[in-house]
Amino acid sequence: DTGVSQNPRHKITKRGQNVTFRCDPISEHNRLYWYRQTLGQGPEFLTYFQNEAQLEKSRLLSDRFSAERPKGSFSTLEIQRTEQGDSAMYLCASSLEGRRAVNSPLHFGNGTRLTVT
Amino acid sequence: AQSVAQPEDQVNVAEGNPLTVKCTYSVSGNPYLFWYVQYPNRGLQFLLKYITGDNLVKGSYGFEAEFNKSQTSFHLKKPSALVSDSALYFCAVRPFEIGGKLIFGQGTELSVKP
Repeated sequence: DTGVSQNPRHKITKRGQNVTFRCDPISEHNRLYWYRQTLGQGPEFLTYFQNEAQLEKSRLLSDRFSAERPKGSFSTLEIQRTEQGDSAMYLCASSLEGRRAVNSPLHFGNGTRLTVT
Repeated sequence: AQSVAQPEDQVNVAEGNPLTVKCTYSVSGNPYLFWYVQYPNRGLQFLLKYITGDNLVKGSYGFEAEFNKSQTSFHLKKPSALVSDSALYFCAVRPFEIGGKLIFGQGTELSVKP
């Protein structure tokens, strides 16, 4: 178990640019989640996948945000035309859910900190 | 709506004293409750969860939490605090179907002084 890996750790970009983050979950985990966290706040849910299927997307999520998990393994989160309000920590988490693993906790990566200037 | 509330932004305790970090929840069905800890510039680490069964749940690093259905609370506790326990603590609830997203509280900053 090497844990959830997120890249890059830090990203500084100019307003209007596109950015993409990558998440590699724990290898046997079938569920993958994306959260956003701003300073002094709890993580805010963005979206989650079971295998390659995107099961839920937050209504708060702008259409500038898109996430994929094409082969049911790693995932990418893309933000198009970034705005200063997108500056935050983007957290990825994974879990194993199934008959032998019910209500499993989420295992988080260390996040990607995005700064939009 | 499914939610959790952490009424204290900050909790200060002296090393060796017991600590409590409060959490209340609001759910329409059975509550599935979790506690996480976050150190600076790191992701969240799972401490413990309540799904069903005993109201006192034991977790990592000596932490435990007490589920109280009548008070809709799930307070995190530790009998003797350590300076290294200083961190951000988040309570979370899993609404609706099993295995879905977690909804987090706003967090409580715990400061343990020597």
